[in-house]
Amino acid sequence: NAGVMQNPRHLVRRRGQEARLRCSPMKGHSHVYWYRQLPEEGLKFMVYLQKENIIDESGMPKERFSAEFPKEGPSILRIQQVVRGDSAAYFCASSPGRHGGELFFGEGSRLTVL
Amino acid sequence: GENVEQHPSTLSVQEGDSAVIKCTYSDSASNYFPWYKQELGKRPQLIIDIRSNVGEKKDQRIAVTLNKTAKHFSLHITETQPEDSAVYFCAAPTQGGSEKLVFGKGTKLTVNP
Repeated sequence: NAGVMQNPRHLVRRRGQEARLRCSPMKGHSHVYWYRQLPEEGLKFMVYLQKENIIDESGMPKERFSAEFPKEGPSILRIQQVVRGDSAAYFCASSPGRHGGELFFGEGSRLTVL
Repeated sequence: GENVEQHPSTLSVQEGDSAVIKCTYSDSASNYFPWYKQELGKRPQLIIDIRSNVGEKKDQRIAVTLNKTAKHFSLHITETQPEDSAVYFCAAPTQGGSEKLVFGKGTKLTVNP
């Protein structure tokens, strides 16, 4: 049973370009979470999705950031017009359901904005 | 929403000593408290968790204690080894529908040989 798969593992973008990060949850998991981790800092919640639904996007910046989890295919975190401050590790996690359970993290996507 | 405070931010111990990391949370309805270990450049991994119906849980050298009245929980690592060196995060869930995990800022543990 493959774990949470994220790609790309490393992504370099120039300011103003777009970044797309993909996440395939563990088999059987229908809940996906995106967290951002700045160097030497903790995990900041961004968005929580279920298939075709955004449940909680309270941690997402209001502009330039969007997320989706379509009926078919991986969840995607999209960052438009990237700026240097977007450089971070973006971790995806999945869980099988509600009521407070373990999150299984992917290896992360490390975005560097030049 | 939930607010999780974690202390200390850094901790250095000698091999064989014990290490204790403490967290407080704000939402009295929280009922699940996990601890994650993150090695440098790696993903966070669950090492132990506790639910609010128990006060303590052990797994070999690792234990977690929970005080619901005071709203704090602690990670205890005994007989520390160099491979325990990592960043440790506590977390607690928000309530009210979203149930996302809110993480503490992490504790960088260094075990000196």
